[in-house]
Amino acid sequence: KQEVTQIPAALSVPEGENLVLNCSFTDSAIYNLQWFRQDPGKGLTSLLLIQSSQREQTSGRLNASLDKSSGRSTLYIAASQPGDSATYLCAVGHSGSARQLTFGSGTQLTVLP
Amino acid sequence: EAGVAQSPRYKIIEKRQSVAFWCNPISGHATLYWYQQILGQGPKLLIQFQNNGVVDDSQLPKDRFSAERLKGVDSTLKIQPAKLEDSAVYLCASSHPPGNTIYFGEGSWLTVV
Repeated sequence: KQEVTQIPAALSVPEGENLVLNCSFTDSAIYNLQWFRQDPGKGLTSLLLIQSSQREQTSGRLNASLDKSSGRSTLYIAASQPGDSATYLCAVGHSGSARQLTFGSGTQLTVLP
Repeated sequence: EAGVAQSPRYKIIEKRQSVAFWCNPISGHATLYWYQQILGQGPKLLIQFQNNGVVDDSQLPKDRFSAERLKGVDSTLKIQPAKLEDSAVYLCASSHPPGNTIYFGEGSWLTVV
């Protein structure tokens, strides 16, 4: 059974700092990995999707990497802003036709002005 | 493009009562998901539909939860009878095809008292 872990559960940084969020998974036979952002009282917004054959994806100030062999992914946020404050969740897509997602519990990020 | 629509946004019921949530996915998305998110945790997949067929319902408590997707478009999730531990956000999401970027609605918040 796939298990997804995100550490730390909460992180507080000053504005302008570069930061890394971590995600680990137990079964390396994955289809893809997605990073999501969740604001309080809202649904999830997809940030980046990395296919199992890829090593990284970039969007603006965000860069996500994937190392299947070690069961790890990182989300790098450059020059953090208070508007980046949210909970960030990673989700692993299972191999197989259904490609279900298993989520981690998220990292709650606070960027202080 | 319209997003995933869910209703109601909020519902408070007493234990042993019933409740139903409705979801309309993004037009053309064949895959529809219902997730349960308990406060402080990541979303847990309850059921996944491909068109109007069930792909995965292994984590759906079938003694009290049911879901249908008639005509392969919108979907209804029902809980009867509700328990206190069912208090959570129920998130609907869609994608096309499965494994692609997944889009979430804003969720239906259920409180069972």
